[in-house]
Amino acid sequence: GAVVSQHPSRVICKSGTSVKIECRSLDFQATTMFWYRQFPKQSLMLMATSNEGSKATYEQGVEKDKFLINHASLTLSTLTVTSAHPEDSSFYICSARAEGAAGSPLHFGNGTRLTVT
Amino acid sequence: GNSVTQMEGPVTLSEEAFLTINCTYTATGYPSLFWYVQYPGEGLQLLLKATKADDKGSNKGFEATYRKETTSFHLEKGSVQVSDSAVYFCALSPPRSKLTFGTGTRLQVTL
Repeated sequence: GAVVSQHPSRVICKSGTSVKIECRSLDFQATTMFWYRQFPKQSLMLMATSNEGSKATYEQGVEKDKFLINHASLTLSTLTVTSAHPEDSSFYICSARAEGAAGSPLHFGNGTRLTVT
Repeated sequence: GNSVTQMEGPVTLSEEAFLTINCTYTATGYPSLFWYVQYPGEGLQLLLKATKADDKGSNKGFEATYRKETTSFHLEKGSVQVSDSAVYFCALSPPRSKLTFGTGTRLQVTL
């Protein structure tokens, strides 16, 4: 089945630094990828929709200058958390939909646990 | 707008018990419905899906039937195992629209 690889799985960084998270679709092309944030014991919050070759679409309340998204190719999207602060500590998950018939499911990466100290 | 409502957890069951996790939805059009499972420390995995009314999705002993008349997609399993302990998310996706998740239901299965 379709596989989405997310890297790194865990990262610890100091406050004020930037962190880049990669999301790759390994065996299919994804013109659209999605970035979610998950707080402890809560559901996933969609942060933004990453579109290949164009600007990402951010959900209301998500700071686009803080969470930079780049979708450079049909198989790679990156999320950069800039000037990270402890409140940015969270579980970030990417997903992608294999293009095809209506109702195609999203395939998720295994997530990145970000801890900002 | 679109929304998904799941029963609140946690749900605690003994091994081999019958499982039902309720999920109801509101949506425009004819969405596809999904159940995703999240094991501790991991991302989400697709468990099963149904794309039209009366479809039954099934996988690993889990089943859910797309009930348009009751706008429901309840997840069931006849005999749960300890390894089924995870968080289960119900989700819907109208055509050409983003996925909407429920809040998730934590399942804890004990020996």
